Amino acid sequence: ELKVEQNPLFLSMQEGKNYTIYCNYSTTSDRLYWYRQDPGKSLESLFVLLSNGAVKQEGRLMASLDTKARLSTLHITAAVHDLSATYFCAGSPPSTSGSRLTFGEGTQLTVNP
Amino acid sequence: DADVTQTPRNRITKTGKRIMLECSQTKGHDRMYWYRQDPGLGLRLIYYSFDVKDINKGEISDGYSVSRQAQAKFSLSLESAIPNQTALYFCATSDRATRADTQYFGPGTRLTVL
Repeated sequence: ELKVEQNPLFLSMQEGKNYTIYCNYSTTSDRLYWYRQDPGKSLESLFVLLSNGAVKQEGRLMASLDTKARLSTLHITAAVHDLSATYFCAGSPPSTSGSRLTFGEGTQLTVNP
Repeated sequence: DADVTQTPRNRITKTGKRIMLECSQTKGHDRMYWYRQDPGLGLRLIYYSFDVKDINKGEISDGYSVSRQAQAKFSLSLESAIPNQTALYFCATSDRATRADTQYFGPGTRLTVL
């Protein structure tokens, strides 16, 4: 059974600073997803990482995947207040072709002025 | 218009009542899912459907049932609601034709069982 753990669960940072959110998973995962959720809102897809060494970047966010270490990271560069949200990673066992997602607990990010 | 819609958006009900949550999508996706979200627990999969005739249990299906009325519609029922089913419920869809199979989420239904 796939288990997904994120850390930290709560992150308060200043604008302009860099930080990384970590996502560890317990067994082989076919792919790794990152989602963003604003308070009271739905989940928005950020990235999908499909292979070892994959790196995706969008604005101040960059996600990477190391399947050998069973680790994905979401790096935040020069944080701004608009990035305040909860970020989830999710993995899927290979046999389900990405359909049975197991989510981490989420990392609640607050960016302070 | 939103690609994935859920009705109702909010519902308060009493213990023992039957509740149906509905999900519709215009994305043309074949796969649909129901999740519940509880504070500090992330999202957990209740049921999923790969097409109209293929419905599968997720990790927390007890106390729930589903119906896939058409490719675009997937309903979740609570036959006899209990307070610990109070949660935020999300429907999602995905397209098996894409390698990424990314799931796209509806706006959510906030359910309170008294």
